[in-house]
Amino acid sequence: TQLLEQSPQFLSIQEGENLTVYCNSSSVFSSLQWYRQEPGEGPVLLVTVVTGGEVKKLKRLTFQFGDARKDSSLHITAAQPGDTGLYLCAGAGGANNLFFGTGTRLTVIP
Amino acid sequence: EPEVTQTPSHQVTQMGQEVILRCVPISNHLYFYWYRQILGQKVEFLVSFYNNEISEKSEIFDDQFSVERPDGSNFTLKIRSTKLEDSAMYFCASRVRDHENQPQHFGDGTRLSIL
Repeated sequence: TQLLEQSPQFLSIQEGENLTVYCNSSSVFSSLQWYRQEPGEGPVLLVTVVTGGEVKKLKRLTFQFGDARKDSSLHITAAQPGDTGLYLCAGAGGANNLFFGTGTRLTVIP
Repeated sequence: EPEVTQTPSHQVTQMGQEVILRCVPISNHLYFYWYRQILGQKVEFLVSFYNNEISEKSEIFDDQFSVERPDGSNFTLKIRSTKLEDSAMYFCASRVRDHENQPQHFGDGTRLSIL
């Protein structure tokens, strides 16, 4: 089993602040995905990163895949209350099954 | 936008009973997955399925679990004799083809409660 550790586990910030969530592993992944999960719903894909060192931007969200493809980060600029949720990273394994991280629960206070 | 649908949304079952969780993957997808999420814990891989057979399964997916694609649209997860520790959210996911750029699309899950 490949382990993905996310930090921080919980994050509470004021609207307008910036934040970074980290996803770390000792394993190499062919790709890494970030999902957001709302209560009572399934994970919803935000982005897939494939190449080591790759950076992808999705509006105020910036995703980076580490050079060695073992870690990733999610940076949110000027957080808004609508960004509140559970953020999950997931690395793709052998049959492209996903190994999920432990999750970061973000709360943005208006 | 097409989506993965799961039924029922909530299933309550007595310990020892059989339960079948149902999923309708996105129609042109070829790869299917089941995951589970115990309350307060991370999402865990159970099994992947392609071309009418299991591609890979985790150590969680023991002899009590089975999957089936009985027709062209449904993908089911059966637990033969449920245990209390089977209580969890079960998510189905599908993927169009086997490429790292192709994401898995998740359903909203079935909450299984074992009494």
